[in-house]
Amino acid sequence: KQEVTQIPAALSVPEGENLVLNCSFTDSAIYNLQWFRQDPGKGLTSLLLIQSSQREQTSGRLNASLDKSSGRSTLYIAASQPGDSATYLCAVPNTGNQFYFGTGTSLTVIP
Amino acid sequence: ETGVTQSPTHLIKTRGQQVTLRCSSQSGHNTVSWYQQALGQGPQFIFQYYREEENGRGNFPPRFSGLQFPNYSSELNVNALELDDSALYLCASSSGLVPEQFFGPGTRLTVL
Repeated sequence: KQEVTQIPAALSVPEGENLVLNCSFTDSAIYNLQWFRQDPGKGLTSLLLIQSSQREQTSGRLNASLDKSSGRSTLYIAASQPGDSATYLCAVPNTGNQFYFGTGTSLTVIP
Repeated sequence: ETGVTQSPTHLIKTRGQQVTLRCSSQSGHNTVSWYQQALGQGPQFIFQYYREEENGRGNFPPRFSGLQFPNYSSELNVNALELDDSALYLCASSSGLVPEQFFGPGTRLTVL
């Protein structure tokens, strides 16, 4: 069974800092990996989807990388803003596109 | 393009009761997945429906059941509610062409 781990569990940074969130998974035979953002008590907003054939995907200030062989993905957030404060979740699907999630990284950006 | 919607937003039930949660998938999506998210945890996969048929199930008991309708909307039913069923229930839709999943805002269920 796929297991997904996210480190750190919580992170607090001053506004303007660049930061990296980590995601690791135990089964490297994945088709893709998706990063989500979740505001308190809300649903999940898709940030980036990386296909297994890709190594990176970028959207604005966000850059996600994928290293299948080592079972790792990172989400890089540049020039962090208070509005980036949220929980960030990574998820990998099985062959049926049923997602396994990590427990998330709770990010606080201090103005 | 309408996104994924869920109803109701919040629900309070007592132990032993039954509940039905509803989800409308994003336009053009034929697959709906349901997840349970306990406080402070990542979402856990309950089951998935593809073209009105169950297409995979997570480690949840049979009192969790579902339906998908011809318009690809879906229901999650939970019988004999337990206190541990209190959680945020999330619905996600996707299409067979694109693997990306899109989530609804969730239904917060509280069991007293």
